[in-house]
Amino acid sequence: DAGITQSPRHKVTETGTPVTLRCHQTENHRYMYWYRQDPGHGLRLIHYSYGVKDTDKGEVSDGYSVSRSKTEDFLLTLESATSSQTSVYFCAIQGGDVNTEAFFGQGTRLTVV
Amino acid sequence: SQKIEQNSEALNIQEGKTATLTCNYTNYSPAYLQWYRQDPGRGPVFLLLIRENEKEKRKERLKVTFDTTLKQSLFHITASQPADSATYLCAGNNNDMRFGAGTRLTVKP
Repeated sequence: DAGITQSPRHKVTETGTPVTLRCHQTENHRYMYWYRQDPGHGLRLIHYSYGVKDTDKGEVSDGYSVSRSKTEDFLLTLESATSSQTSVYFCAIQGGDVNTEAFFGQGTRLTVV
Repeated sequence: SQKIEQNSEALNIQEGKTATLTCNYTNYSPAYLQWYRQDPGRGPVFLLLIRENEKEKRKERLKVTFDTTLKQSLFHITASQPADSATYLCAGNNNDMRFGAGTRLTVKP
């Protein structure tokens, strides 16, 4: 199995609080992605990174920020969580270019109450 | 806006038949298309990748096609088995990787 872990696996938080999800890889892969998955919507891209300190927005980036200060870690932050951000979040890694398969983490189930 | 769409939310077929799943893209020209399988409660798992200059790729019982004129990819599972029941996702790659909503396949014995 590819070395990718997400933490935490489950989290319940209150509306208005900041939340940070972590994705950690041991594969030295260049690309890292954050997705959210909701019923009927499949995987929607939030933000992605193509190198240290190189990030870009995806389809549903409003309300989210990311940081990648080193190759192995990609952090997703909800500055002020809202109930609409209740979802399952997946991180993915991909090798030297986009011509390679991606590996996914186990997912983080986030509930905002 | 750029879209990748999988037309069927669900597909039910009989064991032994060929399952055919469709992926269409609009306002988008992916250099590669990938297909993934996702089981409940798990992350997606890679199945096949096809480049825009390739017409067809095969792996065991799986076949994928890429038609840049129709802006469409077809994913086939031949001799389907109940163990093939899962959600199948297509993804387009340029600088990022975007997914369709997925098709939930059920293979009945």
